[in-house]
Amino acid sequence: AQTVTQSQPEMSVQEAETVTLSCTYDTSESNYYLFWYKQPPSRQMILVIRQEAYKQQNATENRFSVNFQKAAKSFSLKISDSQLGDTAMYFCAFMKLILTGGGNKLTFGTGTQLKVEL
Amino acid sequence: DAGVIQSPRHEVTEMGQEVTLRCKPISGHNSLFWYRQTMMRGLELLIYFNNNVPIDDSGMPEDRFSAKMPNASFSTLKIQPSEPRDSAVYFCASSFGGLGEQYFGPGTRLTVT
Repeated sequence: AQTVTQSQPEMSVQEAETVTLSCTYDTSESNYYLFWYKQPPSRQMILVIRQEAYKQQNATENRFSVNFQKAAKSFSLKISDSQLGDTAMYFCAFMKLILTGGGNKLTFGTGTQLKVEL
Repeated sequence: DAGVIQSPRHEVTEMGQEVTLRCKPISGHNSLFWYRQTMMRGLELLIYFNNNVPIDDSGMPEDRFSAKMPNASFSTLKIQPSEPRDSAVYFCASSFGGLGEQYFGPGTRLTVT
């Protein structure tokens, strides 16, 4: 079974600064995807970024980027130029890759509550 | 395009009553997931369907919970009888294929008194 660990329950950052959220995972699989989801106070789960394990290049989406260290089983999220709207709970998630059929379940970490301050 | 639609958004019911949560996945998506979120247990998968067929229901807590997907555009999660410990936010998510991102609905906040 896969496990996902987010060791930072809460973090804060000043507006316009950069912050990094940590995530580690444990799996015996070699093919998988990793995700970061954001859950603002509206409680809507929003996909932030995705990383395929077979890709060495780190994924980026505008101000969001990841540092994927496969050997260390580490998958951190960096938010640059933090904005007030980034205030949310951030969840790291693991998905095992299944090439046939569909519907692969996500295993979530416990989340990191990020607060962006003026 | 409309996202995943869930109804109701809020449900308050008394212990022992039947509760039915509804979900309409994104058109064209062939996989549907039901998750539950609580403070104690975080986000946990209850059940998921692929092409309307239940694939993994190992997360369903007990026989009081049941889920159906009669067609590609509709799914229900039923709790009968409900108990206070079922109080949680229930999310539905859908995806296309095994490699697709999951898109979540707005959730249903269930309170059982």
